[in-house]
Amino acid sequence: GESVGLHLPTLSVQEGDNSIINCAYSNSASDYFIWYKQESGKGPQFIIDIRSNMDKRQGQRVTVLLNKTVKHLSLQIAATQPGDSAVYFCAENRGGGYNKLIFGAGTRLAVHP
Amino acid sequence: NAGVMQNPRHLVRRRGQEARLRCSPMKGHSHVYWYRQLPEEGLKFMVYLQKENIIDESGMPKERFSAEFPKEGPSILRIQQVVRGDSAAYFCASSPKGTGTEAFFGQGTRLTVV
Repeated sequence: GESVGLHLPTLSVQEGDNSIINCAYSNSASDYFIWYKQESGKGPQFIIDIRSNMDKRQGQRVTVLLNKTVKHLSLQIAATQPGDSAVYFCAENRGGGYNKLIFGAGTRLAVHP
Repeated sequence: NAGVMQNPRHLVRRRGQEARLRCSPMKGHSHVYWYRQLPEEGLKFMVYLQKENIIDESGMPKERFSAEFPKEGPSILRIQQVVRGDSAAYFCASSPKGTGTEAFFGQGTRLTVV
């Protein structure tokens, strides 16, 4: 069936390195994607979003890349910090007019000093 | 402007009891969404409500689960006759309109059924 999934369940990086978290989606009709960060015991926190008419979008230390040809999404975090340690989810908005989000399983990012 | 408020943060219920989870959306938000998250999994959509209306409940179990968003007061997710499989974190999100804007999540209610 249609799904949004992640390639790597766990990613360990050294502080200061760049992190790349990947996501694959299967619904070619999807036109809006969001990355969320979830720390232990907390709710998902919006990081960045991108619409299908874009290939790249940048925020503060984060960049999202969208490759519609292979239905792939990635989140790049520059100069990763200990505070970036969390589980990261990509989500696909299939609401057809509202925020009905389909979440992937998540990638745990562990930042080591 | 306070964020999405959920209470209680933790709820313990015995099998067969009822669980009532509350969600107060952000000020000015009239669209509410409920999601369920099992340990080590992503969030699963349950239901989308606007004031006094259920718009999409395609993710709600057919029995024992219900949701409402009255004209006044918080949105309520109600689980009757809870079973151990209902143990999960339940998150509420709100947005000012249906689409085109991000949804803001609350801190969740962690339900444990014993």
